[in-house]
Amino acid sequence: EAGVAQSPRYKIIEKRQSVAFWCNPISGHATLYWYQQILGQGPKLLIQFQNNGVVDDSQLPKDRFSAERLKGVDSTLKIQPAKLEDSAVYLCASSPSGLAGGEQYFGPGTRLTVT
Amino acid sequence: QQPVQSPQAVILREGEDAVINCSSSKALYSVHWYRQKHGEAPVFLMILLKGGEQKGHEKISASFNEKKQQSSLYLTASQLSYSGTYFCGTEIGGSEKLVFGKGTKLTVNP
Repeated sequence: EAGVAQSPRYKIIEKRQSVAFWCNPISGHATLYWYQQILGQGPKLLIQFQNNGVVDDSQLPKDRFSAERLKGVDSTLKIQPAKLEDSAVYLCASSPSGLAGGEQYFGPGTRLTVT
Repeated sequence: QQPVQSPQAVILREGEDAVINCSSSKALYSVHWYRQKHGEAPVFLMILLKGGEQKGHEKISASFNEKKQQSSLYLTASQLSYSGTYFCGTEIGGSEKLVFGKGTKLTVNP
């Protein structure tokens, strides 16, 4: 089965610019997660979707970050405007039915560098 | 709420054993273990649920002490492929979301 797809893989932008990341989860997976992983740290949950509804976005900096999941499948994460501290790898993951369903399948990530 | 992992780093020779610990200040509902190799996505290893249920790979073992709010991952007869950073993710209550620790970097040398 195909894994979680993410694009782009790498992005370099200047501060105050905007950027968008795309994620296509494994087919049939109801739960989709966006994580931010800063170098040397563990992944930090930004937002969690169940189908196309938001389950948790308590750690999403809503003044600059937004995310949506269209028709309960693909998802986009946007940053506008970007700050230097947003430099990180943005990981998308999916699972069949939340944590109770077992493992999360991670995509390869998008490495964002803000200069 | 971030769990504390120890040690931060460990270096082994092939065939040696290692234990990685994860502790939380909050009551845990489940603990999830992942391994991440440099430049790659995290890969699932194991889930330990409150009540004793475990789901994971056959060659990986772990424990979950609910009273102490701790989990340990046991890596026996290590192989070169075990190298990577190991993260524990903890679920508090029935929150359905994971908080990951800072990771333990494991290096296995020939």
